[in-house]
Amino acid sequence: AQSVTQLGSHVSVSEGALVLLRCNYSSSVPPYLFWYVQYPNQGLQLLLKYTTGATLVKGINGFEAEFKKSETSFHLTKPSAHMSDAAEYFCAVSLFNQAGTALIFGKGTTLSVSS
Amino acid sequence: DAGVIQSPRHEVTEMGQEVTLRCKPISGHDYLFWYRQTMMRGLELLIYFNNNVPIDDSGMPEDRFSAKMPNASFSTLKIQPSEPRDSAVYFCASSSSQGIDTLHFGNGTRLTVT
Repeated sequence: AQSVTQLGSHVSVSEGALVLLRCNYSSSVPPYLFWYVQYPNQGLQLLLKYTTGATLVKGINGFEAEFKKSETSFHLTKPSAHMSDAAEYFCAVSLFNQAGTALIFGKGTTLSVSS
Repeated sequence: DAGVIQSPRHEVTEMGQEVTLRCKPISGHDYLFWYRQTMMRGLELLIYFNNNVPIDDSGMPEDRFSAKMPNASFSTLKIQPSEPRDSAVYFCASSSSQGIDTLHFGNGTRLTVT
């Protein structure tokens, strides 16, 4: 069965610092992996996704993630944090390894950015 | 292009009352999902539909919960009777199976059961 573990429920960084949000997955087949962001009182928005091909995936707002099969990881990074990046971030794996079908989400990581 | 529309945005009700949450997916999308978000359990998949047919309802907590999709543009999630532990934010999302696509989420319904 597919599952996702996000390490650290809360990450705090200073503005301009590196952002690293960790995600490990478990899947019986090559996974489709996603990062979503949730701003207060809103639904989730897709940041980026990995399906096949290049393992380094670039998303919106300067975020990127690298699929590492040997480490079963899909960590999210951004070189320089901005105040507007403060939000909750969710890693997810596709239930049936097909995009467009049900996702299983991690418990989320709240990112705080201080000036 | 309108996104996924959920109503109401907020619902406050008393224990024992019936609650109906509504969702209009993006036109042309053939998958619809209901998720529940709580602090303790995070985002849980409750049920999802493909072409208006329920595919997997194993996430529905108990018989008090039911979901329907009478047509491609409308779905409901009903709780009867409601209990305080049902308090959560309920999200609807939709997606298309045509090519590689993503889930598009509504803004959620915040349910409070007193």
